[in-house]
Amino acid sequence: GAVVSQHPSWVICKSGTSVKIECRSLDFQATTMFWYRQFPKQSLMLMATSNEGSKATYEQGVEKDKFLINHASLTLSTLTVTSAHPEDSSFYICSARDGGVRDTQYFGPGTRLTVL
Amino acid sequence: KQEVTQIPAALSVPEGENLVLNCSFTDSAIYNLQWFRQDPGKGLTSLLLIQSSQREQTSGRLNASLDKSSGRSTLYIAASQPGDSATYLCAVTNTGGFKTIFGAGTRLFVKA
Repeated sequence: GAVVSQHPSWVICKSGTSVKIECRSLDFQATTMFWYRQFPKQSLMLMATSNEGSKATYEQGVEKDKFLINHASLTLSTLTVTSAHPEDSSFYICSARDGGVRDTQYFGPGTRLTVL
Repeated sequence: KQEVTQIPAALSVPEGENLVLNCSFTDSAIYNLQWFRQDPGKGLTSLLLIQSSQREQTSGRLNASLDKSSGRSTLYIAASQPGDSATYLCAVTNTGGFKTIFGAGTRLFVKA
């Protein structure tokens, strides 16, 4: 089946630094990718929708200058958490839409970010 | 705005029991509905995906049903095992925009 990878799988950084998370669709082209955030013991919340070659669409309450999304190619989207703070510590999961025959969304394994 | 609710929030059952997890959604204009499993500190494992035109899907001991008109889905787990202990998430993908909204999950504990 279709595979979506994320890198890194976990990262620890100091407060004030920026962290980049990559999301790749390995065996299909994804015109649309999505970024989710999950706080401990809570469900996944959609942060933004990323379309290849255009600006991302952010959900209400998500700071676009804080969470920079780039969807430079049909197989890669990146999420950069700028000037990270401890409250940004979370589990970040991406998904990619395979718009082919099945038109299905596949989820990555997630990236755990801890900001000290 | 789509809202997804899962009941119960937590469930503890003895091994061998059959159980039902419930999911309801407010907007019936869905593209599909998925059930996921999530182990503590881990990512999502897709269990079953039901397209909007389908009524149910089965995989092994799992059966998921979908009633779009009433905005409900159930996940039936037969002969539960301790290894089934996890959080089960219901996720609805809307038509138009293809956004996926997750429920808060049901934490299942199967006692040996």
